[in-house]
Amino acid sequence: KAGVTQTPRYLIKTRGQQVTLSCSPISGHRSVSWYQQTPGQGLQFLFEYFSETQRNKGNFPGRFSGRQFSNSRSEMNVSTLELGDSALYLCASSSGGQNYNEQFFGPGTRLTVL
Amino acid sequence: GQQLNQSPQSMFIQEGEDVSMNCTSSSIFNTWLWYKQDPGEGPVLLIALYKAGELTSNGRLTAQFGTTRKDSFLNISASIPSDVGIYFCAGPTHSGYSTLTFGKGTMLLVSP
Repeated sequence: KAGVTQTPRYLIKTRGQQVTLSCSPISGHRSVSWYQQTPGQGLQFLFEYFSETQRNKGNFPGRFSGRQFSNSRSEMNVSTLELGDSALYLCASSSGGQNYNEQFFGPGTRLTVL
Repeated sequence: GQQLNQSPQSMFIQEGEDVSMNCTSSSIFNTWLWYKQDPGEGPVLLIALYKAGELTSNGRLTAQFGTTRKDSFLNISASIPSDVGIYFCAGPTHSGYSTLTFGKGTMLLVSP
């Protein structure tokens, strides 16, 4: 099975712009979670989608949003970018079955905000 | 909220040495997960633990679920240069949902 894929791998934006990141989960996985990773805060949970519904949301401002499509692919959007949004954004998928906590990560999208 | 404390923060060892790192939580977990992250990549799942006291191996890696369910340990035997990376422990944030809380990580450096 192919792993989790994320596009693009690298992105440079300026303050005030918006950005959309894409994630394709492992085939058959219905749960997709997004995390932000920074040197200072580590890995922090953004939100989780299951069957096109947001099930959980982390403690991030409303500028961060996401969605999931019927094929389980997911996108996250950050509007009005700030310098502090520079981070590695990771997507993870899980089967949602018995071992639902076992999440498999993609390579991430490195976002730099100038 | 839940907090996971990993120690040590970093380790610098010689190739061939055994390594041990641990993770403690402020609350009880029913599941413990250990991940490894290489530079520029996403975390890779190494071991998942589901029972208190459980010992699980994956090659040279062995992880244990502490009996209090508030701690977990990861051991690497006979370390090799490719073991270099950051090791994270993680536990479920919400029971029944696929969300994880992560520790800050242990950086491992191996000298050939």
